[in-house]
Amino acid sequence: QVQLVQSGAEVKKPGASVKVSCKVSGYTLTELSMHWVRQAPGKGLEWMGGFDPEDGETIYAQKFQGRVTMTEDTSTDTAYMEVSSLTSEDTAVYYCAEFYRSYFPSWGQGTLVTVSS
Amino acid sequence: DIQMTQSPSSLSASVGHRVTITCQASQDISNYLNWYQQKPGKAPKVLISDASNLETGVPSRFSGSGSGTDFTFTISSLQPEDIATYYCQHYDNLHPITFGQGTRLEI
Repeated sequence: QVQLVQSGAEVKKPGASVKVSCKVSGYTLTELSMHWVRQAPGKGLEWMGGFDPEDGETIYAQKFQGRVTMTEDTSTDTAYMEVSSLTSEDTAVYYCAEFYRSYFPSWGQGTLVTVSS
Repeated sequence: DIQMTQSPSSLSASVGHRVTITCQASQDISNYLNWYQQKPGKAPKVLISDASNLETGVPSRFSGSGSGTDFTFTISSLQPEDIATYYCQHYDNLHPITFGQGTRLEI
């Protein structure tokens, strides 16, 4: 059973960066394809990107290319997602999620990132 | 990119009644369609994969059908604990992952 535990809530000023972590247990990170999905307050789910094991590369939704960086530390089985140049539009709950075949069977608990001056 | 159009955006139904939500793809996606339930303040939970495959532990009152461009998610007998928002989601290796807009279900 995969368990994903995310870092705590963050409050950032516009223009700053935020880095959210996702600790894996039950499996090693190398056994999983980790993705990130966000949800603005009262809004739907928005896929941001994730690791494609077929290519061995991280793929990003076009909207986030250049501003979002997803990394992994396999020594600690922890995935990271960093968003730079934050605006109020980035206020959202950010989820890490395991991607398997074509869907997301396991999710982290979510990390609320609030961008406010 | 493939667009997923989910409807209705919200609906109200009574306990014991049948509920149906639809998801339409902008092009043929075979059966690459999954359904999630999200309760307030919680992460989404996958209920149905590959259009009609009920995930382990999910009650049998939930079902999914369809292929190509038109898909249906059904709750055969609505229970109070089914109050949530439901999302469809598509993936294939040629296009980005997309979610439907969500359907808020109320009693």
